[in-house]
Amino acid sequence: GAVVSQHPSRVICKSGTSVKIECRSLDFQATTMFWYRQFPKQSLMLMATSNEGSKATYEQGVEKDKFLINHASLTLSTLTVTSAHPEDSSFYICSARVPGLEGEQYFGPGTRLTVT
Amino acid sequence: AQSVTQLDSQVPVFEEAPVELRCNYSSSVSVYLFWYVQYPNQGLQLLLKYLSGSTLVKSINGFEAEFNKSQTSFHLRKPSVHISDTAEYFCAGGYQKVTFGTGTKLQVIP
Repeated sequence: GAVVSQHPSRVICKSGTSVKIECRSLDFQATTMFWYRQFPKQSLMLMATSNEGSKATYEQGVEKDKFLINHASLTLSTLTVTSAHPEDSSFYICSARVPGLEGEQYFGPGTRLTVT
Repeated sequence: AQSVTQLDSQVPVFEEAPVELRCNYSSSVSVYLFWYVQYPNQGLQLLLKYLSGSTLVKSINGFEAEFNKSQTSFHLRKPSVHISDTAEYFCAGGYQKVTFGTGTKLQVIP
């Protein structure tokens, strides 16, 4: 089956620093990837849609200058949290759409970000 | 606006008992419906999906869900749960953009 990996799985950083999270599709090419944020005891909130070779589409209320997304290749999308603050601490999950599989997304294992 | 509603945040059930996790979707959600499962400290895994055709869809581990258009529901059921089914279950709908419900924690009691 389609496999999506994320790196790192956990990261702790100091307030004011930037953190990059990688999302890779391991055995398929993904023209579209998605970035979600999951708060404790809440559902996944779509942050942005990442399209290979073009700018990401951000959801309303998500700061594009704070959450930088780069989808430079068909197997890699990155999310950079710039000038992180404690309120950015969360579980970030990426997913990728498999071409030809309608609506279905394969999810990465997630990255737990803690900003101190 | 698109919405997917999971009415129960937690469902405790004894091992080998049947379970139903409820999910309702708004009519604005395109009728691609999914159930995902999230085990502790892991990412989401697709459990089953409805795209078209037969309204009853089944997973390989005994779960099934039925698409009910008149009731705008897509409830998840299993006739006999196992300890290993303890996880959080998310109902979702949509095609280009997928909207997730708030999740239901299934706790199987030995």
